[in-house]
Amino acid sequence: QKEVEQDPGPLSVPEGAIVSLNCTYSNSAFQYFMWYRQYSRKGPELLMYTYSSGNKEDGRFTAQVDKSSKYISLFIRDSQPSDSATYLCAMKVFPDMRFGAGTRLTVKP
Amino acid sequence: DTEVTQTPKHLVMGMTNKKSLKCEQHMGHRAMYWYKQKAKKPPELMFVYSYEKLSINESVPSRFSPECPNSSLLNLHLHALQPEDSALYLCASSQDRMRGGITEAFFGQGTRLTVV
Repeated sequence: QKEVEQDPGPLSVPEGAIVSLNCTYSNSAFQYFMWYRQYSRKGPELLMYTYSSGNKEDGRFTAQVDKSSKYISLFIRDSQPSDSATYLCAMKVFPDMRFGAGTRLTVKP
Repeated sequence: DTEVTQTPKHLVMGMTNKKSLKCEQHMGHRAMYWYKQKAKKPPELMFVYSYEKLSINESVPSRFSPECPNSSLLNLHLHALQPEDSALYLCASSQDRMRGGITEAFFGQGTRLTVV
């Protein structure tokens, strides 16, 4: 079993849809949770980060963490074609950082 | 400023060459990472430096040799690579502290390495 599980998709949605991306993890030592967006042939770009259970909102993005279930989510509201990318969840316990497989998202106009 | 700078952006090297990848950050971060990423795969951890000391080495072949000369710089020395080592090499940094205080990590744009 991988430490971080993420459905690689691909996921295709129409413009304006709400997108839900999810990861589960097995290592209860993970303390910090991040979501990255990666465009083809580019480095990952940090979107959201949190260390506590609950919701964190930033514009169209909401990150949700449930430590008791070892489950994290990223919601994208009013999705745009420019959101088409690979979304990676990442988790940290000092000094280690591990990634999920990444979900390829396409938002169709 | 949340910039991590990697040079070169692209590198083509032969299997007998020696080359180095460089990574620089000026955010005062004390944790720096090297990742390898193949096409359509997630980044795979190679090395972690914490306070300029090697903290994690993910059983990477000795043809990859990391170096952290100071808190702002991270190098990856390459020697006698194989074609299967062709990938995007990513550097990241974070402000992690030894006693608590884990924080988010920022990535550079990567070096696209091709071994011929």
